[in-house]
Formats: sequence, C-alpha cells, structure tokens
Amino acid sequence: GAGVSQSPSNKVTEKGKDVELRCDPISGHTALYWYRQSLGQGLEFLIYFQGNSAPDKSGLPSDRFSAERTGGSVSTLTIQRTQQEDSAVYLCASSLFGGSSYTFGSGTRLTVV
Amino acid sequence: AQRVTQPEKLLSVFKGAPVELKCNYSYSGSPELFWYVQYSRQRLQLLLRHISRESIKGFTADLNKGETSFHLKKPFAQEEDSAMYYCALSGRSGATNKLIFGTGTLLAVQP
Repeated sequence: GAGVSQSPSNKVTEKGKDVELRCDPISGHTALYWYRQSLGQGLEFLIYFQGNSAPDKSGLPSDRFSAERTGGSVSTLTIQRTQQEDSAVYLCASSLFGGSSYTFGSGTRLTVV
Repeated sequence: AQRVTQPEKLLSVFKGAPVELKCNYSYSGSPELFWYVQYSRQRLQLLLRHISRESIKGFTADLNKGETSFHLKKPFAQEEDSAMYYCALSGRSGATNKLIFGTGTLLAVQP
C-alpha cells in the first residue's frame, strides 16, 4: 500500500479482555516494528520483525503481550487480559531492509476501562 | 546503556524567535541520530537525520560527539512549527536496527 495502515484507529476495551491490533506495512518493506506511545514516556520499543528471522521481542513488557507477522507482511499485536496501564497509542512502523528510515502508521489508541 | 534525553517537555516561543530543542544521548559506539516530528492529528514522520546534513523546513541539527548532543535549531520559528518533536538514536541490538526515542518536546509557537 501507499503507507503503513493500522486498525482499528481507536479501541476501548474492558479490563481483563483480550485485544488484537493490526498493522499492514508498506509493500516490499521487510522490517516491521511496534512501539507504544504513552504520555510523558516517549516511544517505547516493543518488538521487531525482519524478514524470516526470529523476531526481537526484547521490548515486550510482559507475557500478556505477543505479536506475529504472517507471510512477511501483516502483523498482529495481541494483548491478553488487558490492564489499565496498557492504555496508550500503539504505533507500527516499517522500513526497507531494516534500514533506519522508518515510516509510521497513524496508530491505534487503546483505552482500557 | 543507550538512552536519549530531551530535558524539556514544553518549549514555548514567539513567532520569529530562535528555537533550540535539546537532545542528549548515551551510546557506546558510532550513533545515528534522527529528529522525528508529529503535527497535530498527523502521524509521526522523519524530519531529519544527522548523516544527511541537510536543512528541512529551516531546521538543522549538528551531531556533537564531544557533548553527546544533537540539538535541533531553527533561527526564526513559525506558527506551523508547533508540534511534538522526538529525538531518536539508532542502536543495534543483535540484528535489530531499532530506534530509541526520547520523551519528546512539545514546541508551541505563539503568534
């Protein structure tokens, strides 16, 4: 596609429920990143996918968080048993061959009530 | 440890005044530094990177390895510069070329 697409743009969920956030990267970009943007916290790295290599999951805050990337394209970030502290904007970015010039999506604003 | 520090949460200036958004970093190695900008209701986008040594929208940033700084500057601020600015450092963790971001500075340019 022309840009990085994320859905939904907004998600309100009850504490304890599971949520799935979707990212569709730019066609041909082999690298995909998930970040979390919280007020006053900047952007926190969560996970990185590069081609067929094992993902770098070093930023995932707990085992409630997981992500997968099917067919080297679309990625899904799943948060199980959501907590209020999970409320944030979740950003996806892609880049060509893992280079440093990222293109970001518009994010999913998650609110856990 | 790799870290990016932006000491100012908010910077308010008048139109036409000079702007300097501060960024300091901690990195063992040769860093690659970036400034990203997020305008209201828009997505985060790359403003400039130090290896390009270019001026974008009148902004420049020089990497000072001695002071470990990468401050963003503009001689005359415009109202349309009002946005959230993030400094970022490219760090290599294994094969990951992930960006490490600062907490951001909100620039407000008053008329």
